[in-house]
Amino acid sequence: QSVLTQPPSASGTPGQRVTISCSGSSSNIGSKTIHWYQQLPGTAPKLLIYSNDQRPSGVPDRFSGSKSGTSASLAISGLQSEDEADYYCVTWDDSLNAVVFGGGTKLTVL
Amino acid sequence: EVQLVESGGGLVQPGGSLRLSCAASGFTFSNFWMHWVRQAPGRGLEWVATIKTDGSEKYYVDSVKGRFTISRDNAENSLYLQMNSLSAEDTALYYCARSLLAATSHWGQGTLVTVSS
Repeated sequence: QSVLTQPPSASGTPGQRVTISCSGSSSNIGSKTIHWYQQLPGTAPKLLIYSNDQRPSGVPDRFSGSKSGTSASLAISGLQSEDEADYYCVTWDDSLNAVVFGGGTKLTVL
Repeated sequence: EVQLVESGGGLVQPGGSLRLSCAASGFTFSNFWMHWVRQAPGRGLEWVATIKTDGSEKYYVDSVKGRFTISRDNAENSLYLQMNSLSAEDTALYYCARSLLAATSHWGQGTLVTVSS
């Protein structure tokens, strides 16, 4: 049972917009910045969004992040086949004194 | 070019020990917090441990406290994870990562640890 709750799966067709949610509590998302990683099959995770809504250089602007209260969301617009991957939210938890990951969301492009 | 190269994984019997290493290059290692993250086969990412730039602060997931020790050698640009009393639940691909919660995040390709008799 992950401290951060993500839907196990999400799907969309090419060109669609999909969102992936990440729910936490006041000790993590509610007081810390949230980050998102993309893990393509067979590869190491790659930072997609940092500090709630910032994109590292090289990440397309089709990817965006937001945070409100104890929840966060990752949005992918103009869905492409190469977006098919696992997506994880992650932050620090002040109560646990630990880094906490969401359980991950497997995105399927239909 | 930033590089993190893990080594030291392998097959170990339950109750055994392993020491993982992560060789860093292409950046000033001593300036960054470092982390170990693992991924069991077919499962999600699990944070294992974090160490501050100078080694003065260390944090662990509850399931490895008392069994695993994270350390670093800034002179050798290396990160380590000493793993003792291993069990099947520790079987995973272990990643070394820089700045897990920041824009400067970078991960290695991982080293596989298999605990089995």
